[in-house]
Amino acid sequence: GAVVSQHPSRVICKSGTSVKIECRSLDFQATTMFWYRQFPKQSLMLMATSNEGSKATYEQGVEKDKFLINHASLTLSTLTVTSAHPEDSSFYICSARDYWDSSYNEQFFGPGTRLTVL
Amino acid sequence: GESVGLHLPTLSVQEGDNSIINCAYSNSASDYFIWYKQESGKGPQFIIDIRSNMDKRQGQRVTVLLNKTVKHLSLQIAATQPGDSAVYFCAENTSGGGNKLTFGTGTQLKVEL
Repeated sequence: GAVVSQHPSRVICKSGTSVKIECRSLDFQATTMFWYRQFPKQSLMLMATSNEGSKATYEQGVEKDKFLINHASLTLSTLTVTSAHPEDSSFYICSARDYWDSSYNEQFFGPGTRLTVL
Repeated sequence: GESVGLHLPTLSVQEGDNSIINCAYSNSASDYFIWYKQESGKGPQFIIDIRSNMDKRQGQRVTVLLNKTVKHLSLQIAATQPGDSAVYFCAENTSGGGNKLTFGTGTQLKVEL
């Protein structure tokens, strides 16, 4: 149980285009999902908290107009990188929290999406 | 701001030996800690967790120790195997801080045959 998937696993795009990454909780409901970015040989940095049915909460320094987040259902959150540039190339990872988990602490991570902007 | 950090960026051990990976955290309000294993090109994989009301928790071949006095967390891996080679991250969660995870810098564990 508690499986989180991401699609696509890898994407290459041209500079200036937009890319959408999907995060799905496959066997549980997630009112809260998180988006992280990870550069090579670095740690995971939280970008934003995605709440079902409401606006995402962005961490300081993350441009909300560049990284659009939509959490339209209890099992799906999407991250759209708008007008992507080479510096946006990174490993994007999502996680989800099980709504019915009484402790409500544990996050289940997806496999990540490798974005390369040419 | 407050952060979670590790003492050693790379740890090399012989197969069969025990590994100890350390982590220092600075937020005394953190109440839940997790160790993750991340293999190249993959997402973090949960290893073991511990709550702030405990000082030790054991799993299969892994043990996490929490010392709140000095804000120190460690992961012990018994009989380290080649498959344990990966980057290990500690993460802290603060219930009063929106239940967000703050990750440490990571330690690369290399298991030598």
